[in-house]
Amino acid sequence: AQSVTQPDIHITVSEGASLELRCNYSYGATPYLFWYVQSPGQGLQLLLKYFSGDTLVQGIKGFEAEFKRSQSSFNLRKPSVHWSDAAEYFCAVGLNYGGSQGNLIFGKGTKLSVKP
Amino acid sequence: DVKVTQSSRYLVKRTGEKVFLECVQDMDHENMFWYRQDPGLGLRLIYFSYDVKMKEKGDIPEGYSVSREKKERFSLILESASTNQTSMYLCAAQGSNTGELFFGEGSRLTVL
Repeated sequence: AQSVTQPDIHITVSEGASLELRCNYSYGATPYLFWYVQSPGQGLQLLLKYFSGDTLVQGIKGFEAEFKRSQSSFNLRKPSVHWSDAAEYFCAVGLNYGGSQGNLIFGKGTKLSVKP
Repeated sequence: DVKVTQSSRYLVKRTGEKVFLECVQDMDHENMFWYRQDPGLGLRLIYFSYDVKMKEKGDIPEGYSVSREKKERFSLILESASTNQTSMYLCAAQGSNTGELFFGEGSRLTVL
């Protein structure tokens, strides 16, 4: 069965430090890949997505992610974290059903805390 | 961008009550989804719909039903609420070209 693993439940980084959030997936083909962010009490907002082509994708708020097929990974990075980045981050895999879009499988999330 | 509106941000209900959670999207997308979010469990799919009057069970449909009478509206129904249905409920609409999900703000339901 398809699955998404985010191995880190909670990460704390200092403001200004770099960030990498890990995501691994299990799927037979190349899936569609997404990163979402959720602030407390809010819905999920899309940060970036990968469908095909360049394996390094840029997103909003200065985030980027790199798709590595050999490692089945899609890690999220940011060179310098801001206090406003404190939130929960979800990696998701999209499964394409017969040419139309379908459900996304979500990881359990990584909560990011930022120290001043 | 798609706007997805969930009618109630916070609800408190009693055990056995019937609960309706409403979700409306403004971009004529076919696909809509209801997820439940609990700490440590991430998002779990309850039901989804590919078109009007079409519905498919997700991973945890027990205790829930849905209604899609109009394309823009997808309702989640708890026929008889129970305390273990206390949770955050998230509705989403799917962009037909990109596959990404657009989420509402969420409805936090407490069942006493």
